[in-house]
Amino acid sequence: NAGVTQTPKFQVLKTGQSMTLQCAQDMNHEYMSWYRQDPGMGLRLIHYSVGAGITDQGEVPNGYNVSRSTTEDFPLRLLSAAPSQTSVYFCASSYQGLVRGNEQFFGPGTRLTVL
Amino acid sequence: AQTVTQSQPEMSVQEAETVTLSCTYDTSESDYYLFWYKQPPSRQMILVIRQEAYKQQNATENRFSVNFQKAAKSFSLKISDSQLGDAAMYFCAYRGNAGNMLTFGGGTRLMVKP
Repeated sequence: NAGVTQTPKFQVLKTGQSMTLQCAQDMNHEYMSWYRQDPGMGLRLIHYSVGAGITDQGEVPNGYNVSRSTTEDFPLRLLSAAPSQTSVYFCASSYQGLVRGNEQFFGPGTRLTVL
Repeated sequence: AQTVTQSQPEMSVQEAETVTLSCTYDTSESDYYLFWYKQPPSRQMILVIRQEAYKQQNATENRFSVNFQKAAKSFSLKISDSQLGDAAMYFCAYRGNAGNMLTFGGGTRLMVKP
């Protein structure tokens, strides 16, 4: 199994540009989520999905869109990038949501810089 | 809303010695889960250990153990026989029993001196 994969690893955008961060998992996990990591603040949840066709907002959803058309993929879209979205983005997945403390498996992260 | 606080931005330990990383949290729930994640320079998040709040026994995974004090809302991580490969950022995280959100602390950078 490849686990959780993310592309690209690095990205530089100009303010106002749009892009999609890709996330895929091959473990047949129902639950997938996106976090951003800023210095000194740990990881914060952006959006999550408990299954195909179902998404919900996390702690910091503004400026980001998600969709979940398949179990495997969970892309994160930035419609109009802002410098405040400069961060490292992590995708994670787990079996059957987070019930009973199921472990989340994290992707390698995408470092995004918005100029 | 739950909060997780790691009061030590940086810690250092001599190789082969023991170090304890602190974590406190705030919650009104009685049933929840606590985790410690390790993030080495590769950025990969790795689960180190987890604790279920309804279990009184402290979790242990090889050289890693926790001191879970539910009344004090404290969840510290002890690393015994520290190794150079233990050098990393360590994050404490909380999840409520019914929720789908992990709340992370700000992290502690652990340095291991040879």
